[in-house]
Formats: sequence, C-alpha cells, structure tokens
Amino acid sequence: NAGVTQTPKFQVLKTGQSMTLQCAQDMNHNSMYWYRQDPGMGLRLIYYSASEGTTDKGEVPNGYNVSRLNKREFSLRLESAAPSQTSVYFCASSSRTSGGTDTQYFGPGTRLTVL
Amino acid sequence: KNEVEQSPQNLTAQEGEFITINCSYSVGISALHWLQQHPGGGIVSLFMLSSGKKKHGRLIATINIQEKHSSLHITASHPRDSAVYICAVRPLMYSGGGADGLTFGKGTHLIIQP
Repeated sequence: NAGVTQTPKFQVLKTGQSMTLQCAQDMNHNSMYWYRQDPGMGLRLIYYSASEGTTDKGEVPNGYNVSRLNKREFSLRLESAAPSQTSVYFCASSSRTSGGTDTQYFGPGTRLTVL
Repeated sequence: KNEVEQSPQNLTAQEGEFITINCSYSVGISALHWLQQHPGGGIVSLFMLSSGKKKHGRLIATINIQEKHSSLHITASHPRDSAVYICAVRPLMYSGGGADGLTFGKGTHLIIQP
C-alpha cells in the first residue's frame, strides 16, 4: 500500500516549457487535490476533483490544467511554465464522510523550479 | 475571506518542555486539521477535529468552535518533534460541493533542542 505517489520529485524547466505532474493513490479515495506551497505562505489549493471525470478550480488555478484520468490518477499540467510557478507541489487524496469531513493524505511533493 | 492565523510563527524550546501552538480562524467550519510537515517535506495528518479534544500519544488537540480557536499541545517534547505544524480548516461553505479543499495557516516552525 503506497498511499499517494507523485512523480517527478524534482524538475527544472525553462520559461515557456510544458510539463505534467503525475499523482496516483491506491486507497480508493474519491477526492483528490493539488496544492502549491510557497515560502511564507500556507498551502493553497490549485484544483480539486470530487470524483472521476469532475474537476473544480481552487484558489490559484491560473496557468494550470488538470485531468482526473480515473479514480486513482489526478494529473496537473503546466502548459507554458512561468517563474511564478516555481514552488513545491503536493497532491492529496481523501475519502469524504457523509458529514463532509475527512482526513487528507499527502504525497511526498514535487519541487519545481522555472528559470 | 477565510483567514487562518497561527501563533507563534517560530518556537524554540528545550527537550521536555510543554509546547502550545495556537490557531484562530474567521469563518464557520465543518472540521479543523492539524498537520505535521517534516524537515524532509512530507506532510502527515495528526488530527481532525470538529469539537472537543483529541489525544494521540504526547499530542493533544483542542477546539473551541464558539471562539473559533484551536490549540495543539505537545507534552514532554523531544527533538524528533521538531517540524512545521500546520493548522487547516474546511469552511462550511465548501461542505456542499464545488471547489473544495482546506484553507491552511502558514505554519509554526518548532525546534526542540536537546
């Protein structure tokens, strides 16, 4: 049982390049999330997926696209990377209860630098 | 706009001391989470609270819904407790669907010296 996995762990891009961050979970969770973490700021939600085939924008979606390929996988794509997207990216998943509360399980993070 | 404020931002203490980290938030919530981020970067969920108090080992978390305040306590602190502790809330407005996720505080950087 690997939990939440993310690839790659590190990436350096040049401005304008594109890339996809991969995330997978093996806990049969419905909900998956992409966050970014910047120095001096709390984690911020980029996109959210409540189930396969559905996605919603979070607090900072500009410059990103997502795809919920199936229940296990949720990918984050940067079409044209910018230096402002230099950050640590975390994927998380959760199993929502009927009361709407849940524990989120986080992946190890991807450290992205855009030059 | 929901704000989550943590205090202190940084805390250095000696091994064995009793540690308290505070979290205040500004909107109604369905749950509050305490998370731990290790120096290597991994994030682990410690507690999820909607009322009262929870205890796990040397860690205790309390919440006062009326005052919109939560505390995380560490008893008999140890150098291995050194980490960033993050408070996060799930606002009530998200409980029905739509863009969902937690709102996070900036974290409290805790160092326990031997």
